Amino acid sequence: SQQGEEDPQALSIQEGENATMNCSYKTSINNLQWYRQNSGRGLVHLILIRSNEREKHSGRLRVTLDTSKKSSSLLITASRAADTASYFCATAQGGSEKLVFGKGTKLTVNP
Amino acid sequence: EAGVAQSPRYKIIEKRQSVAFWCNPISGHATLYWYQQILGQGPKLLIQFQNNGVVDDSQLPKDRFSAERLKGVDSTLKIQPAKLEDSAVYLCASSLFLVGGSYNEQFFGPGTRLTVL
Repeated sequence: SQQGEEDPQALSIQEGENATMNCSYKTSINNLQWYRQNSGRGLVHLILIRSNEREKHSGRLRVTLDTSKKSSSLLITASRAADTASYFCATAQGGSEKLVFGKGTKLTVNP
Repeated sequence: EAGVAQSPRYKIIEKRQSVAFWCNPISGHATLYWYQQILGQGPKLLIQFQNNGVVDDSQLPKDRFSAERLKGVDSTLKIQPAKLEDSAVYLCASSLFLVGGSYNEQFFGPGTRLTVL
C-alpha cells in the first residue's frame, strides 16, 4: 500500500517559474524524503526532513513538513528545463525506517 | 565513488519462466533494498537486508519471489515462475546504517526493466 499521495499528479510550468508539489500521508513517520526520477534514470535523493523539523533548504529546494496535518511540500525555485522529472515523496516508518513512496508528481519545465 | 550496480538492464521473458537480477551496493553500505516499480507508480519495497539478514520482507510474494545476500554484499532477486503482472522495473538501493540506529539516504541503481510476455 502507498502512504504518501502527491498533488498535483502533473505540473507544467515555464523556465524560471517556481514549482510547488505537495505530499500527504496517513501514519506517523520518522522522516520524509523527496526523490527525483528522470526518464530512463534511477531515483536520486533530494532532501530528507526529520519529524521534528519544520523546514529545510538545499540549493533551489525548500521542503516544509507539518506533522499535525500530515503533509509536506517541495518548492523548486527558478526552475530549469533540467528539472523536468517525476518527483516522489517517501515516508520512513517504524524501526526499520521502511520507505513508502507515493505515486509521484510529473513536472515538465518548458524552455 | 561508484554507485549501485545492477544487471541486466533489460530482460524479456515469457510467463512461467524464471529470472534473476543482480545488485552490487555501494561499498560499505550495510543496508540493501529491492523495490518493484510498476509503470506510473512509485517504488514498492520488496525486501530490506541489514548485512546478510532480512529486516523486512512483508511485501515480498514469497510463493514466487526470493532474494538472498549471502556474504552481506551482493544480492540476487529471483522470480520463479514469472507472471504477466511482474512486468516492472526492479530497483536496488543501498544505504549506510548510522550509529544510533537510524538510516541515511538511499542510493538507487539504474534498475532492471522486466517484461513478461
